[in-house]
Amino acid sequence: DAGVTQSPTHLIKTRGQQVTLRCSPKSGHDTVSWYQQALGQGPQFIFQYYEEEERQRGNFPDRFSGHQFPNYSSELNVNALLLGDSALYLCASSLWILGTGELFFGEGSRLTVL
Amino acid sequence: AQSVTQLDSQVPVFEEAPVELRCNYSSSVSVYLFWYVQYPNQGLQLLLKYLSGSTLVKGINGFEAEFNKSQTSFHLRKPSVHISDTAEYFCALEETSGSRLTFGEGTQLTVNP
Repeated sequence: DAGVTQSPTHLIKTRGQQVTLRCSPKSGHDTVSWYQQALGQGPQFIFQYYEEEERQRGNFPDRFSGHQFPNYSSELNVNALLLGDSALYLCASSLWILGTGELFFGEGSRLTVL
Repeated sequence: AQSVTQLDSQVPVFEEAPVELRCNYSSSVSVYLFWYVQYPNQGLQLLLKYLSGSTLVKGINGFEAEFNKSQTSFHLRKPSVHISDTAEYFCALEETSGSRLTFGEGTQLTVNP
């Protein structure tokens, strides 16, 4: 049973560039959430997708956007990268009908912005 | 707005000693509470959760936590730790069913031989 998989695991970008991160949820899950974890801090909620729609959004600028595909996989896009966007980006999946925060996390994509 | 405060950023202990990681929360409504563990270079793994019912919750790897509504706390405990318990531990809350998780800043537990 495959868990949550994320790609790429590491990437380096320069300021002003754009990045796309990808996530495949755990088998049987239909909801994907994205979190940003800066060094030494707890994860912060970016947004959540269910049925290909953004259902909730955290306090992140419009430079952060996402998408969910019919197979439940998801992408996180960040435009006009800033140095402060350097972080570990975590994808988490869950089953919408359960309605609790029992999330299954991937190992993350570590983004470094130079 | 809801918030989670983990009172200790680092907790060093010796192997086989007991440990308590402290977590306080603030919310104007009922909450669900969680503890997650993050091993180096890995994602987060759910240790245990409190949704309702018994205030003492048992999780994986011998960990347990007690929900205290009057003190708005959800402390994590283990009676005897192992070297392999060395990791970052995060307390988190969810205000309504299916909403986002709010995490604390994390507590680094280091178990020394």
